[in-house]
Amino acid sequence: KAGVTQTPRYLIKTRGQQVTLSCSPISGHRSVSWYQQTPGQGLQFLFEYFSETQRNKGNFPGRFSGRQFSNSRSEMNVSTLELGDSALYLCASRHGTSSYEQYFGPGTRLTVT
Amino acid sequence: TQLLEQSPQFLSIQEGENLTVYCNSSSVFSSLQWYRQEPGEGPVLLVTVVTGGEVKKLKRLTFQFGDARKDSSLHITAAQPGDTGLYLCAGPKLVGGYQKVTFGIGTKLQVIP
Repeated sequence: KAGVTQTPRYLIKTRGQQVTLSCSPISGHRSVSWYQQTPGQGLQFLFEYFSETQRNKGNFPGRFSGRQFSNSRSEMNVSTLELGDSALYLCASRHGTSSYEQYFGPGTRLTVT
Repeated sequence: TQLLEQSPQFLSIQEGENLTVYCNSSSVFSSLQWYRQEPGEGPVLLVTVVTGGEVKKLKRLTFQFGDARKDSSLHITAAQPGDTGLYLCAGPKLVGGYQKVTFGIGTKLQVIP
């Protein structure tokens, strides 16, 4: 079974631009969560989607948004990029909502200049 | 303040040594997960502990869940360079009516050959 895939793996953007990251979960997994990882803050939860509905949201500004499609693939969007948005963005999938074991993709390394 | 406190944050040891890392909280968790993350990759699930006092072994790694389900430890016997990585503990907490997975900041382990 293929693992979680994320595209692109690396991205360089300029302040003020917007970016869209993509995540394909493990086949059969309906829950997708997004995290931001920085050296100082660790993994910070952004949001979780299940069956195309946002179930939970972390403490991030409205510039961060996401969505999930009927095939469980998910995208997250960051508008008006700031230097502080530079981070590793991780996507994780799990089969349902009763198990908390998550399977992570390799991440997208976003650098904002 | 992190809901899950991990210590130490950094650990550098020689190959063959034993080590223990800790994951502590003032809150009770229904389960805790341990992950290992290598540079440039996403975290990989190692184990889930569910029952207070539970001990699980994964080759040279021993995981223990505290009796009160507020803390956990990971012990590595005869560490090898391949054990190098960031060790993260994580657990679900009820937030806004939904279970949200929260992560500790991690223990960065370096095993020197």
